[in-house]
Amino acid sequence: DTAVSQTPKYLVTQMGNDKSIKCEQNLGHDTMYWYKQDSKKFLKIMFSYNNKELIINETVPNRFSPKSPDKAHLNLHINSLELGDSAVYFCASSQLGFARGTDTQYFGPGTRLTVL
Amino acid sequence: TQLLEQSPQFLSIQEGENLTVYCNSSSVFSSLQWYRQEPGEGPVLLVTVVTGGEVKKLKRLTFQFGDARKDSSLHITAAQPGDTGLYLCAGEGYGQNFVFGPGTRLSVLP
Repeated sequence: DTAVSQTPKYLVTQMGNDKSIKCEQNLGHDTMYWYKQDSKKFLKIMFSYNNKELIINETVPNRFSPKSPDKAHLNLHINSLELGDSAVYFCASSQLGFARGTDTQYFGPGTRLTVL
Repeated sequence: TQLLEQSPQFLSIQEGENLTVYCNSSSVFSSLQWYRQEPGEGPVLLVTVVTGGEVKKLKRLTFQFGDARKDSSLHITAAQPGDTGLYLCAGEGYGQNFVFGPGTRLSVLP
């Protein structure tokens, strides 16, 4: 059984379009995250949600909006896509809350977004 | 913002060799984690170190947290092709920020 799943795996779209990436975790964790990994493999946190409540919102354009319908799901909606949005987006979850030193984050397989 | 640097950026070695990769910062971290990421997959946690000077072993992998909690190293003994991947360190700073280093890409040739 997949612990953290994301759909789609690949997403190719035109500039200016709106797209969503879905994430689901079946681990019963309270906290979920979205990360962006650029072409240089730099992994940077975008958002963190704890029990459907936004905890961390790093410097991310407001074209990016996370939505958490329940604590097992954290979707990422992106408006007016730009070329610079091309990256791999990872969803993750953990039990204790954002980045506690002894906590373990479980990552999904990633969604490769390409904006043409 | 607390930053983490990793070195080397790339490392290509023969099977059976030993290697060490480093994770450094000018800032103090309350804990450091090491992840391995394989192509097309998300990072997988290898270890968390929380005490300055701490050493943890995971089979052929040895992790050390610096005494001052500003750096960490990962030593692999007798590397195998299955060790190939991107090794990321990540640190939790004081004030609840959490950052990843840029990674070391390791290639172990048979």
